[in-house]
Amino acid sequence: QVQLQESGPGLVKPSETLSLTCTVSGGSVSSGPYYWSWIRQPPGKGLQWIGYIFYSGSTNYNPSLKSRVTISLDTSQNQFSLKLTSVTAADTAVYYCASGPRSGRGDHWGQGTLVTVSS
Amino acid sequence: EIVLTQSPATLSLSPGERATLSCRASQSVSSYLAWYQQKPGQAPRLLIYDASNRATGIPARFSGSGSGTDFTLTISSLEPEDFAIYYCQQRSNWPYTFGQGTKLEIK
Repeated sequence: QVQLQESGPGLVKPSETLSLTCTVSGGSVSSGPYYWSWIRQPPGKGLQWIGYIFYSGSTNYNPSLKSRVTISLDTSQNQFSLKLTSVTAADTAVYYCASGPRSGRGDHWGQGTLVTVSS
Repeated sequence: EIVLTQSPATLSLSPGERATLSCRASQSVSSYLAWYQQKPGQAPRLLIYDASNRATGIPARFSGSGSGTDFTLTISSLEPEDFAIYYCQQRSNWPYTFGQGTKLEIK
């Protein structure tokens, strides 16, 4: 059973870069065909799919965030990561990592981590 | 971007009753629709994928139906632990999108 755990700073200053890591256990980020995703949820609001990376390394980013987002794999650490640049208060949210055997399927989720953008 | 509209926004029912939740897509998503359950302070949990397939470990009282633009999640007999927020999500077109949620509350 795949398990996911997010980690990273809970507070980021406006205009800086948000960086989060998802550590995977019970599976390998380099074995296919699995998709590794980041999804966020502003407090009290709905869910937004930020993007995903395929086990091969190919990526797809939400057009609304595309210019600011990078998702990458670290096979040596069995992790994948999210970087979101030039953050504003609108990026304050619980960030989840998720995975599934098909693109767009969230079979497994981390518990989520709240990131607040504030000076 | 495909917009998913869920109805009702809130559904008030009692344990043992049948719950019917709807999700309508702004354009066809074929059968690429999923349902998730989210409880306060928890991550969403996949219940149904590709419109009608129960995810691993999901009780048989949860069922999904529909194709194209209209989908339904049915909970045949509500258990106390089923009161939560339910989201639909499409994976037909990128970016994948979620509905705004239906809150299922105890009457």
